[in-house]
Parts: sequence; C-alpha cells; structure tokens
Amino acid sequence: EPEVTQTPSHQVTQMGQEVILRCVPISNHLYFYWYRQILGQKVEFLVSFYNNEISEKSEIFDDQFSVERPDGSNFTLKIRSTKLEDSAMYFCASSGDREKGNEKLFFGSGTQLSVL
Amino acid sequence: GQNIDQPTEMTATEGAIVQINCTYQTSGFNGLFWYQQHAGEAPTFLSYNVLDGLEEKGRFSSFLSRSKGYSYLLLKELQMKDSASYLCAVRGSGGYQKVTFGTGTKLQVIP
Repeated sequence: EPEVTQTPSHQVTQMGQEVILRCVPISNHLYFYWYRQILGQKVEFLVSFYNNEISEKSEIFDDQFSVERPDGSNFTLKIRSTKLEDSAMYFCASSGDREKGNEKLFFGSGTQLSVL
Repeated sequence: GQNIDQPTEMTATEGAIVQINCTYQTSGFNGLFWYQQHAGEAPTFLSYNVLDGLEEKGRFSSFLSRSKGYSYLLLKELQMKDSASYLCAVRGSGGYQKVTFGTGTKLQVIP
C-alpha cells in the first residue's frame, strides 16, 4: 500500500530556532494536512492544503507556522521561532479525490519535535 | 465548532466483544472516521461512515446515527494486539478538508 513519508523521525531544537518538517504525500492525492499530538493528548488539526494554497487552518496555526509545496512531491511545515509548547509529534496526512471515494486520511509515521 | 466525546479508557477480555461509543456535536457533518493508534505510532484507518447504519469489516464494525450524533465501533474476538487507542473523528461541513479528532479511547485487552 502507498505510504506518506515524513522526515526526520526526530528533531531536537533550541527554543527560538526555525524548524522545517518534511513530508512526501501519496503521489496521486490532492489534499494535504498537518496535525500535531502533544504527549498524552488528542490529535489536533493544524492546517489543510489544496490546489497550492491553504484551505483551512486552526487557531493553533498562527503566524509562526507556514506550509509549502515547493515541488510536485514534498509538503513542508515550517515553524519560524519554536517555543517550548511546540514540542509534540507532528503528523502529515493526505487524502484523495472525494468523488472517487478516497476520503480517508493516510498518516505518515510522524516527526517527534522536542524544543529545549 | 466541533465537540466529540468518547470514554477515556476501557478494559476488555481477550476473545470478548467491546463497543466504543462516540457522540458528536458539530457545525456540519460529512462523515465519521474511526482510527486505531498504538502508542508512539500514527493513526491507522479503520472505518468511514457517511450514511446511517452498520458497516462491517472483518472483526471490526462501525455504526452511525446522524440524527442522534452517535457512532460506535464494535470489536469482536478481541486479541491482545487490539490494545490501543481508538479515535473517533468527524469531517465537518465547514470545510471538506478538515477532520476533527476526539480525545480517543484507550482500550486495554487483558488475558
């Protein structure tokens, strides 16, 4: 089965530093997402991306966050100036065309971000 | 907004049947997912209900009642490997793309 790939699996950074989390969604998918999960808490929606632009974002996704699809395969999440509370597992997900019944989200294995 | 409720924890015996309930109140509704998540891993897809009724897939079944804002996940012939968190998630109508997750139900299967 096709997979969503995320790199790195772990990222340690100092508070205030910029980080870029990388994802390669499934190749024929159209919708891309970032979620995060703080240890012991629920999976939280950050942002969705379609047709090369943000289609929806949560209140968590403030000016410190940005997403980009720089080429036909990669989908990145940038945090400009990390804070301690950004420490979490970040999941990338993708889904296909709804009309084709491909609504389910496929998740990558996640990037564990630790901000020190 | 979205409000999704499920029990925090459940315990069941190997070989038994367990039902995990989920109630939701959302600004719109375009489908309900169930995902399984083992500790430290990504959520993996179990089921997706759009219409009312029961969907059966092997040992797992999912039920939806849109009028009641209610769903359940039924796990039969429980195995030790079924110990995991089970996440109820709703796709609202505010945006086709956004899927909101509940807090998850941590299921422990005991011998």
